[in-house]
Amino acid sequence: SQQGEEDPQALSIQEGENATMNCSYKTSINNLQWYRQNSGRGLVHLILIRSNEREKHSGRLRVTLDTSKKSSSLLITASRAADTASYFCATVPYYGNNRLAFGKGNQVVVIP
Amino acid sequence: DTEVTQTPKHLVMGMTNKKSLKCEQHMGHRAMYWYKQKAKKPPELMFVYSYEKLSINESVPSRFSPECPNSSLLNLHLHALQPEDSALYLCASSQVGKREAEQYFGPGTRLTVT
Repeated sequence: SQQGEEDPQALSIQEGENATMNCSYKTSINNLQWYRQNSGRGLVHLILIRSNEREKHSGRLRVTLDTSKKSSSLLITASRAADTASYFCATVPYYGNNRLAFGKGNQVVVIP
Repeated sequence: DTEVTQTPKHLVMGMTNKKSLKCEQHMGHRAMYWYKQKAKKPPELMFVYSYEKLSINESVPSRFSPECPNSSLLNLHLHALQPEDSALYLCASSQVGKREAEQYFGPGTRLTVT
C-alpha cells in the first residue's frame, strides 16, 4: 500500500534556486526516508528522519517532519542541474514489518 | 562496495518466453527485495527475502517466481508474462531487522513484453 503521499506536482526551477517538496502519510511511523531517482534508474537514499526528530540536514538537503500533521518536507538549497530527478518519500511503519511505503513522487527539473 | 547490480539492463520477451532477472550485492545484506515500477509511478513491492527465505509476497501472480540461491544473489524468473507486466524491475537490499535501514537499489531491468 502506498502510504506516503506527496503533493502530485512537477517543479521546474532555475539553477541556484531552492526546491521544496512535501509528503503526507496516514499512519504512525518509525521513520521517513527520502529517495531520489534519476530518469529510468534505481533509487538512491538521500536522508532519513526518525519519528522523534523534527528537522535534519545533510549537505544541501533539509528535511522536516511534523508528526502531528503527518507530513514532511524536503528542501534542496542552491539547486543544480544534476538535481533534476524524481523524489520519493517512503515511510517505515511504527508497528509491523520494515517494508517501505512509497509516496507518489515529485518530478523536479532544474534549468541551467 | 555499496553497489547492487542487475542484469540484464533491458529485456524484450514474448508472452510465451521464459526469462530470468538477476540481482547481486556484496554488502552482506540479508534482506533483498524485488519491486515493480511503472512509468511516473512509485515502486511497488513484490517480494522480500530475509535470510534467503521468502518473507513477503505481495500477492504477485505466479508467472513471477523469485529465488534466492544464496545471501548475495536474487533471481526473478518470468514465464508467460502479459504486456501489462512491462515495467522497470528494481532489486534492493538492506540490513535485516533494523527499522532505520536504508535500502540500496540496483539500476533496474527495463522489461518489455510483446
